[in-house]
Amino acid sequence: DIVMTQSPDSLAVPLGERATINCKSSQSVLSSSKNENRLAWYQQKPGQPPKLLIYWASTRESGVPDRFSGSGSGTDFTLTISSLQAEDVAVYYCQQYYNTPRTFGQGTKVEIK
Amino acid sequence: QVQLVQSGTEVKKPGASVKVSCKASGFTFTTFSMHWVRQAPGQRLEWMGWIDIDNGNTKYSQQFQGRVSITLDTSARTAYMELSSLRSEDTAVYFCARDNITDSYPFWGQGTLVTVSS
Repeated sequence: DIVMTQSPDSLAVPLGERATINCKSSQSVLSSSKNENRLAWYQQKPGQPPKLLIYWASTRESGVPDRFSGSGSGTDFTLTISSLQAEDVAVYYCQQYYNTPRTFGQGTKVEIK
Repeated sequence: QVQLVQSGTEVKKPGASVKVSCKASGFTFTTFSMHWVRQAPGQRLEWMGWIDIDNGNTKYSQQFQGRVSITLDTSARTAYMELSSLRSEDTAVYFCARDNITDSYPFWGQGTLVTVSS
């Protein structure tokens, strides 16, 4: 199984500042045939299902604010919130869909400082 | 718009089985796949398996092999996840999620809490 490890486990950022979350996979999730990284980012608020933010490591889902961006390739990925807003308080998960079992990171809790 | 509506809260005793439903609307039901993901209290999301809605093929996580079954009722536009031999560690919120052409999960059910307790 591909192990997904996020860092940090939690972070507190002042409103309007940048938040950065890292995700590392135990093996590459780059599909060489399609040249796409099979990595997604989700946001989950209490009592709600996860919400897809980013797929293919860097493509924003429709309707997601452009302050959310994804980067990285192979085994190392980053989710950046360029200017943290109050409504961004949540837990963020990375997920690989390169193979099964689909696996998720342990989550990163983002709070306002 | 795509909607996935799951069945309600369940309380089960250890050793019992639970069957959670996920009723879909807003898309052609025979396209894409339905996945099941669970989340135990304070834990990460855990993928359980998926079913190809077009042909009924399934694949399960080895962790649940032999205990989980994912099925369809295409006439009712509903997917089901049945988990047997329940133990306390199976207490979790169970989600259905539909993929799209990118294979990520843009659509999720609201979640079903399953509590296993004697």
